[in-house]
Amino acid sequence: QKEVEQNSGPLSVPEGAIASLNCTYSDRGSQSFFWYRQYSGKSPELIMFIYSNGDKEDGRFTAQLNKASQYVSLLIRDSQPSDSATYLCAVRPQGTGNQFYFGTGTSLTVIP
Amino acid sequence: GAVVSQHPSRVICKSGTSVKIECRSLDFQATTMFWYRQFPKKSLMLMATSNEGSKATYEQGVEKDKFLINHASLTLSTLTVTSAHPEDSSFYICSARNLPGLGSPLHFGNGTRLTVT
Repeated sequence: QKEVEQNSGPLSVPEGAIASLNCTYSDRGSQSFFWYRQYSGKSPELIMFIYSNGDKEDGRFTAQLNKASQYVSLLIRDSQPSDSATYLCAVRPQGTGNQFYFGTGTSLTVIP
Repeated sequence: GAVVSQHPSRVICKSGTSVKIECRSLDFQATTMFWYRQFPKKSLMLMATSNEGSKATYEQGVEKDKFLINHASLTLSTLTVTSAHPEDSSFYICSARNLPGLGSPLHFGNGTRLTVT
């Protein structure tokens, strides 16, 4: 398995604050990066993806990618209690088929 | 669009029996599907890549004779856990992509919670 590392947390933030989630990956040639949210007992659901260096914003979510540092992050602005979940970083390496490799996930709790 | 359906959602079986899990792409054709396993509070671990009309590709450490994968059509892949044991108890999730391209995500089924007693 390709290595994808995340801080397992738990990460707690107050409602309305910014939550910052980080992910590093080992394969320098990785092509694209995805953030998924997973509620307990449920399947992952896609939040957003990024494949170019820099920032990508979608509503309250911003993904940041730095390929030189092999680092991708997710910022959640104005955090809500409903954002409480485990956030999974997924990486699509180069030279492979279509499979993705996942990090261990970061557990986020937003405190009302 | 891009709906992946997985069945059953839960199954309890006795040790030594076999269990079949179905994964269907409902509104797109999937030449490739992926099977993941997730233990409690752990990440998704890719088990195998299911290829329509050919043999599955298994990740290192995954026993192909224990986890039989069949991908007989462009919309159906099945995972059979043979001679299940309690250590096989886990959350099994299938996934597929409906589009090519860097930004095309994996779409997941709802998962199957397997409990082996």
